[in-house]
Amino acid sequence: EAQVTQNPRYLITVTGKKLTVTCSQNMNHEYMSWYRQDPGLGLRQIYYSMNVEVTDKGDVPEGYKVSRKEKRNFPLILESPSPNQTSLYFCASSFMGANTEAFFGQGTRLTVV
Amino acid sequence: KQEVTQIPAALSVPEGENLVLNCSFTDSAIYNLQWFRQDPGKGLTSLLLIQSSQREQTSGRLNASLDKSSGRSTLYIAASQPGDSATYLCAVLTGANSKLTFGKGITLSVRP
Repeated sequence: EAQVTQNPRYLITVTGKKLTVTCSQNMNHEYMSWYRQDPGLGLRQIYYSMNVEVTDKGDVPEGYKVSRKEKRNFPLILESPSPNQTSLYFCASSFMGANTEAFFGQGTRLTVV
Repeated sequence: KQEVTQIPAALSVPEGENLVLNCSFTDSAIYNLQWFRQDPGKGLTSLLLIQSSQREQTSGRLNASLDKSSGRSTLYIAASQPGDSATYLCAVLTGANSKLTFGKGITLSVRP
């Protein structure tokens, strides 16, 4: 089954404790991205990657890191989480090109206390 | 900068009603437009994708139209059911970085 898998689905952590949210896709997509969703603000792009070893900032990259060492994986790293990073996070993937469909993971609910 | 607007933010209708959800975008240079459904606390499920060269797409009781020149799309839901209750998001794909820009969504409630 074609899918984007995120782990964990739920995470409660403390301020400053480094964490990684994993994302994996099995569709051989070149393009992967991370979004956060907050009430009243909608979905905003954090980082994206057009291929292996190619990453770039989205609209709200501060406090986040990513890496793309393999085509299928695109982890999101919070080196020192803060309460303002409490949010619902989504990973997405698609083929590159003008008319491709984006597929989303089930989301990771992160709470930083 | 591309901006996507969905108004109203919430809508409540009785079961069986046909309804239209609106989406507008500021930059008409889009590659495609996607409509998504999101259930509370869940992920996004793609409903329909309309390519920039297309005018509409249909899937079951759903029909989405695109007027690129005026920066508008509509999602038509026929014979609404309580199971259609969810948040509906539209997103446009633009730019060399293949960026999806989302509206804030319309939360639909279909009353039995």
